[in-house]
Amino acid sequence: GIQVEQSPPDLILQEGANSTLRCNFSDSVNNLQWFHQNPWGQLINLFYIPSGTKQNGRLSATTVATERYSLLYISSSQTTDSGVYFCAAYDYKLSFGAGTTVTVRA
Amino acid sequence: NAGVTQTPKFQVLKTGQSMTLQCAQDMNHEYMSWYRQDPGMGLRLIHYSVGAGITDQGEVPNGYNVSRSTTEDFPLRLLSAAPSQTSVYFCASSYAGGGYTFGSGTRLTVV
Repeated sequence: GIQVEQSPPDLILQEGANSTLRCNFSDSVNNLQWFHQNPWGQLINLFYIPSGTKQNGRLSATTVATERYSLLYISSSQTTDSGVYFCAAYDYKLSFGAGTTVTVRA
Repeated sequence: NAGVTQTPKFQVLKTGQSMTLQCAQDMNHEYMSWYRQDPGMGLRLIHYSVGAGITDQGEVPNGYNVSRSTTEDFPLRLLSAAPSQTSVYFCASSYAGGGYTFGSGTRLTVV
């Protein structure tokens, strides 16, 4: 199946800082999703992004399918951005990376 | 509210007991799947279904059974619970090739 690698594994930010999370995948995929798992364990769908760039408020994502990677940008981070960010690649099923744990300090 | 509904939210089982985790979606999605999440790990696929009457194994299927008799429901059965099955279980649904929507999870402890 598809192998998904995320980096960095952990990220500590001061409130207001910007950051970039990376997701590499091993093979061509039909789709790529980014999720945020909040401290209560809920998985929130951030982006459904097979290619190109999307923006939602302070978050944006870019997927370059031909080079097999996706980036998630967090700008002007807030404490509510804390949690684990997962990317997941879809061929005929969804395969998850191990996640990036983001801690935003006030 | 439209979405994926999982019940129960919490469950404690004794080793050897059986139980069924329920999952229902009201979005008419073809695909449904079950994942487990263990500390420090991403989500691992247990079983999935591409439509009513069709199921297949994922990465970690041992100890679990599924069936899909309707489009809406996809229950996960633990046949004889073991401590290694202590985990958080998530159900998800999607259109073919589409974005996945996840339920709120079931936290299962096997003692």
